Amino acid sequence: AQRVTQPEKLLSVFKGAPVELKCNYSYSGSPELFWYVQYSRQRLQLLLRHISRESIKGFTADLNKGETSFHLKKPFAQEEDSAMYYCALLSGGYNKLIFGAGTRLAVHP
Amino acid sequence: DGGITQSPKYLFRKEGQNVTLSCEQNLNHDAMYWYRQDPGQGLRLIYYSQIVNDFQKGDIAEGYSVSREKKESFPLTVTSAQKNPTAFYLCASLGQGPYNEQFFGPGTRLTVL
Repeated sequence: AQRVTQPEKLLSVFKGAPVELKCNYSYSGSPELFWYVQYSRQRLQLLLRHISRESIKGFTADLNKGETSFHLKKPFAQEEDSAMYYCALLSGGYNKLIFGAGTRLAVHP
Repeated sequence: DGGITQSPKYLFRKEGQNVTLSCEQNLNHDAMYWYRQDPGQGLRLIYYSQIVNDFQKGDIAEGYSVSREKKESFPLTVTSAQKNPTAFYLCASLGQGPYNEQFFGPGTRLTVL
């Protein structure tokens, strides 16, 4: 079965601390993975995608096929990073997204 | 102003009533999607449409219906058959670039009284 698991509902850190939001997936084939973010009072938006290997707002995510993981990392968290983060897997020929349950990141001053 | 719009922002429904949520986009995107967002469950796909006059059921289509008569519009009807309709509903469309990015609307919060 195709599935995305985000084991942490809430991740609470202090400003300047490193952040790692975990994402594990189950997919038979070559996965295409994304991180979406929802800031307070804003709409859900794409943060980054694994195929473009980019760093956005200091965040990076590496696909580890051996561990079936796509963890989101940032070396130094900022207060403005506080948001809801969703890991998503592209499924099938109709570009459907399978979302994880989401992790709320709270960065404290 | 380009993008995806959803209306209304808040909607209240009595039990037994059908309600329709609006989703409009002026991005010229072919594919559109409806998701339901519940706390602790992430987003779950209700229906999706690849082109005009065509749509498919997602993972939780029971109690919902859609139409796609125009490229710009993809309304969702929540019927009385939906047992637990109180949720946040998100509409999305698929960008035409190579990266399969979905663009989301601001959402509609439906509450059943």
